[in-house]
Amino acid sequence: QQQVKQSPQSLIVQKGGISIINCAYENTAFDYFPWYQQFPGKGPALLIAIRPDVSEKKEGRFTISFNKSAKQFSLHIMDSQPGDSATYFCAASLGGFKTIFGAGTRLFVKA
Amino acid sequence: DADVTQTPRNRITKTGKRIMLECSQTKGHDRMYWYRQDPGLGLQLIYYSFDVKDINKGEISDGYSVSRQAQAKFSLSLESAIPNQTALYFCATSSGWGGTTDTQYFGPGTRLTVL
Repeated sequence: QQQVKQSPQSLIVQKGGISIINCAYENTAFDYFPWYQQFPGKGPALLIAIRPDVSEKKEGRFTISFNKSAKQFSLHIMDSQPGDSATYFCAASLGGFKTIFGAGTRLFVKA
Repeated sequence: DADVTQTPRNRITKTGKRIMLECSQTKGHDRMYWYRQDPGLGLQLIYYSFDVKDINKGEISDGYSVSRQAQAKFSLSLESAIPNQTALYFCATSSGWGGTTDTQYFGPGTRLTVL
C-alpha cells in the first residue's frame, strides 16, 4: 500500500515533443506529490510538486496532472529540450513522516 | 557553498571493511535521511532521523548503522561491507512538517564500490 509505481522506465523523445511520465499510488493518505529531476553525477532536486486538492499545476514547460479518484499523477514536459535529458522520480509524501519514491524514468531528448 | 555535502564522493573498498559516509547540512533542517540508489530501483530509504535523539530504520537497514552527531551531521556506516552494497548513496534533509516542507534536499552522492 506504500508503493508508488512509475512508468515508463525509459523514454526517448524528439526535441520539441511532449514527454509524459506516469505514476500511480495506493495510499489515499498521501498529501504531497513532488517530482524530482536528477542529472548524472548529481543528487535529485525538486522540479515541481502538487497537493491532492489541485488537479493540475503548471510551471513553465512542466505540468503535473493529478487524478485523485484514479490515484494517478503524471508529469508532462512540453517542448522537450536536450537539456531536459535526466532521470525523473515521482514521489508521494505522507503527512511529513515518510516519502516514497517511484523507481525513476530515464528521459533522453534527441536533438 | 552547497547546502548538503557528502564525503567522500567516491570510495572503493574491500569486502569486510568498515566504511563511514558522512553528511553535513547548512539548511537548519531537523530531518535527515540516507538513501541508496541502484539502477531501476529508485531511491530506497536506509535510515532517517527526525531530530538528534531520533533514529529510525528505513526499508533496507540491514548491514547499515547511523549516527546523528548534531543537527547538521548524519553519518552512515557499513559495519562489514559486502559487494552487493555497491551503489550510489545519497543524504537528504527536510524541514518536514507536512505539505511543501516535505521537500527533500539531496547531497551530491557518494559512489561506493565494494570489491
